[in-house]
Amino acid sequence: EVQLVESGGGLVQPGGSLRLSCDASGLTFSNYWMSWVRQAPGKGLEWVANIKKDGSEQYYVDSVKGRFTISRDNAKNLLYLQMNSLRVEDTAVYYCARDGNSPSQGAFDMWGQGTMVTVSS
Amino acid sequence: DIHMTQAPSTLSASVGDRVIITCRASQSLSGWLAWYQQKPGKAPKLLIYKASSLESGVPSRFSGSGSGTEFALTINSLQPDDFATYYCQQYKSYSLFTFGPGTKVDIK
Repeated sequence: EVQLVESGGGLVQPGGSLRLSCDASGLTFSNYWMSWVRQAPGKGLEWVANIKKDGSEQYYVDSVKGRFTISRDNAKNLLYLQMNSLRVEDTAVYYCARDGNSPSQGAFDMWGQGTMVTVSS
Repeated sequence: DIHMTQAPSTLSASVGDRVIITCRASQSLSGWLAWYQQKPGKAPKLLIYKASSLESGVPSRFSGSGSGTEFALTINSLQPDDFATYYCQQYKSYSLFTFGPGTKVDIK
């Protein structure tokens, strides 16, 4: 079955760190750009970061630059999000999402179920 | 940065209605726009990409239109399964994607 499964969420204090993982099974992981998208409780969707197929390029929303790092291991079909210096406003469900290949490249055609990150003292 | 707006923020409709949701971008997207449906507690689902292309498996009552900075998602003959929140997303630049604030479609 083709699926994305996130893990690693939890409760962390402000200033703390977490690493999220996304296990991509049933697909040729190295063929796709991948993204992290988050959703704060009761709020809309916010794109967080993406990474090129071979990991050579990464981009971030301004609010996480310098604190979050996206990476991937194509041999293990894993996507990561290292989150440091966490803030209360980072509290959200974090989704990993697959960027579709042509003709839908740029749109997210597959999503994981999400993992909850709560930043609170 | 490209800013996205959607209208209305909430829409009350009945089964069988035709529903139109609009999305506006702060600059031209050259058609690089997608639409998603999200139900409570679930991940979003891609409906439309490249402004008007229907994603595989999505019912034909969903359609997208528009160009430049103005786009629309139309749902013809609203079904009970369509009550959800809808988001537009621009992907003109791979260095910064942005979503619209969402439109909730609820039962009148």
